[in-house]
Amino acid sequence: TQLLEQSPQFLSIQEGENLTVYCNSSSVFSSLQWYRQEPGEGPVLLVTVVTGGEVKKLKRLTFQFGDARKDSSLHITAAQPGDTGLYLCAGAGYSGGSNYKLTFGKGTLLTVNP
Amino acid sequence: DTEVTQTPKHLVMGMTNKKSLKCEQHMGHRAMYWYKQKAKKPPELMFVYSYEKLSINESVPSRFSPECPNSSLLNLHLHALQPEDSALYLCASSQEDGAGAYNEQFFGPGTRLTVL
Repeated sequence: TQLLEQSPQFLSIQEGENLTVYCNSSSVFSSLQWYRQEPGEGPVLLVTVVTGGEVKKLKRLTFQFGDARKDSSLHITAAQPGDTGLYLCAGAGYSGGSNYKLTFGKGTLLTVNP
Repeated sequence: DTEVTQTPKHLVMGMTNKKSLKCEQHMGHRAMYWYKQKAKKPPELMFVYSYEKLSINESVPSRFSPECPNSSLLNLHLHALQPEDSALYLCASSQEDGAGAYNEQFFGPGTRLTVL
């Protein structure tokens, strides 16, 4: 069974600060997806990283996939209150035999205070 | 169009009721999923349909019964639920459910279910 450890679980920062969220595993994933979720809503896909060492940027968000495709990070520059939400990483791969599915990290609940 | 729609948005039901959740996508995706999510926790996979056939059942109790009438629709029939089944139920879809590098899952807004 694949496991994906996400840290930190909770993060409360002031507007303008930078932050990094980490997802680590001992398993190799074929791709890794990052989602942001607001209360009472479904997760919204931010990015998918596929190639080891890949870096993708989405405005102030930078996503990186580890060279061995076992870990990933999300860096937010100059955080804004609108960045507040639950950030989820999810690795795609075979888990528990032949079932191909997403393995979710436990999530990072980010609060950006004005 | 990358939208997955779900109805109803909110549902309150008693333990003896029968109700259904509905999910629809028009992206031509051939894999559809049901997840259950408790507050501030990650989604937990319940069922996967691939080409309208059930491919994964994560040992979900029989009081939850999925149905895939066609490639665009996914239903979750609920019967004799327990209060601990109260949660946000999410539907998702992806192009395929296999090892394609870009088989990203797109989620609907969810149905907030409360069982009294």
